[in-house]
Amino acid sequence: DQQVKQNSPSLSVQEGRISILNCDYTNSMFDYFLWYKKYPAEGPTFLISISSIKDKNEDGRFTVFLNKSAKHLSLHIVPSQPGDSAVYFCAARNRDDKIIFGKGTRLHILP
Amino acid sequence: DGGITQSPKYLFRKEGQNVTLSCEQNLNHDAMYWYRQDPGQGLRLIYYSQIVNDFQKGDIAEGYSVSREKKESFPLTVTSAQKNPTAFYLCASSTSHDSSYNEQFFGPGTRLTVL
Repeated sequence: DQQVKQNSPSLSVQEGRISILNCDYTNSMFDYFLWYKKYPAEGPTFLISISSIKDKNEDGRFTVFLNKSAKHLSLHIVPSQPGDSAVYFCAARNRDDKIIFGKGTRLHILP
Repeated sequence: DGGITQSPKYLFRKEGQNVTLSCEQNLNHDAMYWYRQDPGQGLRLIYYSQIVNDFQKGDIAEGYSVSREKKESFPLTVTSAQKNPTAFYLCASSTSHDSSYNEQFFGPGTRLTVL
């Protein structure tokens, strides 16, 4: 049973445009959400996070939106740059402090 | 520099052999984790440890074992009982579970190939 779902395995976006990566979750007890970025053959790196008591968090080109009623969050990257091409993992923290990851979305930034 | 190290980056073993993957961190983190990544599977939790001398099974612990004798080290042994050991293994650490958030810092990973 997948508690964190990233339904798009891949996404292609033109350089300079907005990239929107989506994530859905099923467990209403999650209290913290994170996005990680991963390049091939490297470990994931933390990108941005949001507490369940907020609906938006912004850090430079990256903004995460949380819609608790819909159990949905999204990561917006604007403007998209070539270095943004990577796999993005959505993750959520549950009450016993385990982090549960989605399967990831591969983002391709097109020139 | 503070961080997490995993060695080696690539590891080859014959089927039936146990192999131990190392993970060391100098971030003074209490919690450490092991994940494996397979194509199309995302990151799946194998084992985690929130404090020295204590660890818990994750979602796919069968065929693996760990120890946590020191705060800095959390080695993972892939035993011959693990049916599909070939994968990319990632170690991570984080501050105490009492922290307000639980950002995990990842090592560079070890790609294990069993021949």
